[in-house]
Amino acid sequence: DQQVKQNSPSLSVQEGRISILNCDYTNSMFDYFLWYKKYPAEGPTFLISISSIKDKNEDGRFTVFLNKSAKHLSLHIVPSQPGDSAVYFCAAGGDMRFGAGTRLTVKP
Amino acid sequence: NAGVTQTPKFQVLKTGQSMTLQCAQDMNHNSMYWYRQDPGMGLRLIYYSASEGTTDKGEVPNGYNVSRLNKREFSLRLESAAPSQTSVYFCASSGKETLGGRRHEQFFGPGTRLTVL
Repeated sequence: DQQVKQNSPSLSVQEGRISILNCDYTNSMFDYFLWYKKYPAEGPTFLISISSIKDKNEDGRFTVFLNKSAKHLSLHIVPSQPGDSAVYFCAAGGDMRFGAGTRLTVKP
Repeated sequence: NAGVTQTPKFQVLKTGQSMTLQCAQDMNHNSMYWYRQDPGMGLRLIYYSASEGTTDKGEVPNGYNVSRLNKREFSLRLESAAPSQTSVYFCASSGKETLGGRRHEQFFGPGTRLTVL
């Protein structure tokens, strides 16, 4: 029973363009959502979060959008840089249910 | 500050062998977690400890035991390893409120890659 789903296993974008990573969830009780970034052979690191009382949160090049009615959130990276190439996980809820991850490749 | 440290980094076991994965954090966090990461599955919570002296089961606890030795250390034990436990194991910790008021942000260790033959 995967309560958090990232349906795109991979995404490839050109440097300087926008990257959009998507995440869907099923549990309407989730009140907090986070995005983590993971490089190979390292643990995930926190990127950005959003509370369910908001629909948008920005931090530099990273913006997370939350659509509660659709149970959907997305991470926008603008502009994308080669150093952004990593696996991105969304996570939700107090006990942190994780999605399967999306591998982002940013081509120079 | 070392953050969250895990030992060992790599381990190969035979079916039926036992081992303990060690985790320590130096951030004075109350909560600690053990996850496993498998291809196509993301991270799944095995056990967590909300404070020293307490532990609770997560999504996939079968085949594992944990010990919250003190506030700093949280170990994961495989009593009789099985090939299905081949995975990458991550330990994480979190404080009640982290920098900038970010709730639930977890700090992860570098992981232990375990292979069970």
